[in-house]
Amino acid sequence: DIQMTQSPPSLSASLGDKVTITCQASQNINKYIAWYQQKPGKAPRQLIRYTSTLVSGTPSRFSGSGSGRDYSFSISNVESEDIASYYCLQYDNLPTFGAGTKLELK
Amino acid sequence: EVQLVETGGGLVQPGRSLKLSCVASGFTFSSYWMYWIRQAPGKGLEWVSSINTDGGSTYYPDSVKGRFTISRDNAENTVYLQMNSLRSEDTATYYCANNYGGPFAYWGQGTLVTVSS
Repeated sequence: DIQMTQSPPSLSASLGDKVTITCQASQNINKYIAWYQQKPGKAPRQLIRYTSTLVSGTPSRFSGSGSGRDYSFSISNVESEDIASYYCLQYDNLPTFGAGTKLELK
Repeated sequence: EVQLVETGGGLVQPGRSLKLSCVASGFTFSSYWMYWIRQAPGKGLEWVSSINTDGGSTYYPDSVKGRFTISRDNAENTVYLQMNSLRSEDTATYYCANNYGGPFAYWGQGTLVTVSS
């Protein structure tokens, strides 16, 4: 099974900051990674698929990059509505999620 | 509009069974894989099962293999999760999702399963 190591577990940012979350796979996942946002009490919402493709409705301040085993997800100009937990998902093989990153306001 | 509505959650004793349902609308259900994912209280997301378009192929992680069974009825636009031999560690909100437009693209609102005596 492919393991996804997501970091950091939590992040504190000010409005307008740029933040970056990383996920490292235990093996090459061929860019088959997606990123999700989850707000308390709500279902996760897909933001990015196939490393860097923004899903319809995802603001352009969100971005993704990477290859091989190493991937990153960034939010430029953090807004208050971005306060949430974020998860990576690899779908190159049987799906596995990262452990999540909780983004809080500083 | 794509909609996924899960039902069937509740309180169940350890060792007992429960069957979850997820009714889909807004897309051609029979053309897309379906998934179940769970989230224990205060914890992260865990993939639970996948099923292909005709139900002929199913997949599970080791944590539920042999206890959970995913199935689908394309005529009823419904995917099911039969959960047997339930344990306290199966307590979670269970979500169904599809791959309409991408992997795990759309999610339902979830249904809570509590395993406790």
